[in-house]
Amino acid sequence: DAGVTQSPTHLIKTRGQHVTLRCSPISGHKSVSWYQQVLGQGPQFIFQYYEKEERGRGNFPDRFSARQFPNYSSELNVNALLLGDSALYLCASSLTGVNTEAFFGQGTRLTVV
Amino acid sequence: ELKVEQNPLFLSMQEGKNYTIYCNYSTTSDRLYWYRQDPGKSLESLFVLLSNGAVKQEGRLMASLDTKARLSTLHITAAVHDLSATYFCAVDPNSGGSNYKLTFGKGTLLTVNP
Repeated sequence: DAGVTQSPTHLIKTRGQHVTLRCSPISGHKSVSWYQQVLGQGPQFIFQYYEKEERGRGNFPDRFSARQFPNYSSELNVNALLLGDSALYLCASSLTGVNTEAFFGQGTRLTVV
Repeated sequence: ELKVEQNPLFLSMQEGKNYTIYCNYSTTSDRLYWYRQDPGKSLESLFVLLSNGAVKQEGRLMASLDTKARLSTLHITAAVHDLSATYFCAVDPNSGGSNYKLTFGKGTLLTVNP
């Protein structure tokens, strides 16, 4: 079975540009979350979507936005890129309910120059 | 705001030795997760602990959860080089359902030396 897939795996952008990252969850998973991991730190929660609705948002500026599509895949958009946005962006999918866990994709390594 | 603290942040140990990584968190939760991350890679799920007193073991790793003390431990027994990685604990303050948000610790970089 396919796990969580993210694209692209690596990306280099210039300051001020816009970027779109994509995530396909595990089949049957309706919840998708996005995390940012800066080098040497733990992942930080950005967004969670469930059934195409935003269910949670972390402490990130409005330059960050996301959406979830009817097939439960998701996009993370970042506008006006800053050098500090350089990080590994992780997507996680999960079932919902009490006994659940998040399964992470391989991540997108974004470098802003 | 939920805070998750791990210690130590850096751990260098010899093969064959035992050690424990600690994870403290600041608000009530009975959902705690341990992940492993190799350099440049994503997160691999190790343990899911969903109740007070939960204990799970896989190979040389054993994890436990004390929700009253807001403490989880990851115990390493007879370490081997293959265990070298960064280990994260993560807490979900929600009680389940459709809201899911993990707060991670800073991670423990484990190096096992021959």
